[in-house]
Amino acid sequence: GQSLEQPSEVTAVEGAIVQINCTYQTSGFYGLSWYQQHDGGAPTFLSYNALDGLEETGRFSSFLSRSDSYGYLLLQELQMKDSASYFCVQRDNYGQNFVFGPGTRLSVLP
Amino acid sequence: NAGVTQTPKFQVLKTGQSMTLQCAQDMNHEYMSWYRQDPGMGLRLIHYSVGAGITDQGEVPNGYNVSRSTTEDFPLRLLSAAPSQTSVYFCASNKDRGANEKLFFGSGTQLSVL
Repeated sequence: GQSLEQPSEVTAVEGAIVQINCTYQTSGFYGLSWYQQHDGGAPTFLSYNALDGLEETGRFSSFLSRSDSYGYLLLQELQMKDSASYFCVQRDNYGQNFVFGPGTRLSVLP
Repeated sequence: NAGVTQTPKFQVLKTGQSMTLQCAQDMNHEYMSWYRQDPGMGLRLIHYSVGAGITDQGEVPNGYNVSRSTTEDFPLRLLSAAPSQTSVYFCASNKDRGANEKLFFGSGTQLSVL
């Protein structure tokens, strides 16, 4: 079956840069998405990489390497409000549904 | 725009009771889905629909039922609640499964089964 792997927790200080990695196994290829979820809230879409390379959206960037089945989310100039869980997401092998990774809990310390 | 509206926000049930979680979207999205999220875990797909009159099972469908009579609505029914169904439930929609990767989520339902 399809699976995505992420570190369970990451801790960083305000103003720092943090990278959250995601590796996946899938027989087909579909791009990689990232979602943010604050405690008690719903997941919200952050970014999507359809092709290899870097996508930048403000302080957040996302990278994909399809040959390595690997992607990451890069958060710069960390703020306290970035403390949340981050999920990498990919379509299933039939390209129909969305499969979520287990999530990485980011804690930003003052 | 309301987006995806999910009700109720909280619910407590006794074992064996049934209930329906409501989900509606006003974005004319074809694809709708239900997920459950357990502590420290990602979201697991329960059921999904690619259009009115079409539904199918996801990863964890047992104990749940869905229907899609209109494009807007996609209710989730718990047939006979069990403590293992204690979870947070999210409804999500997507415009076009072939061309758009963004899922829009409802605000979630915290369900406790005693």
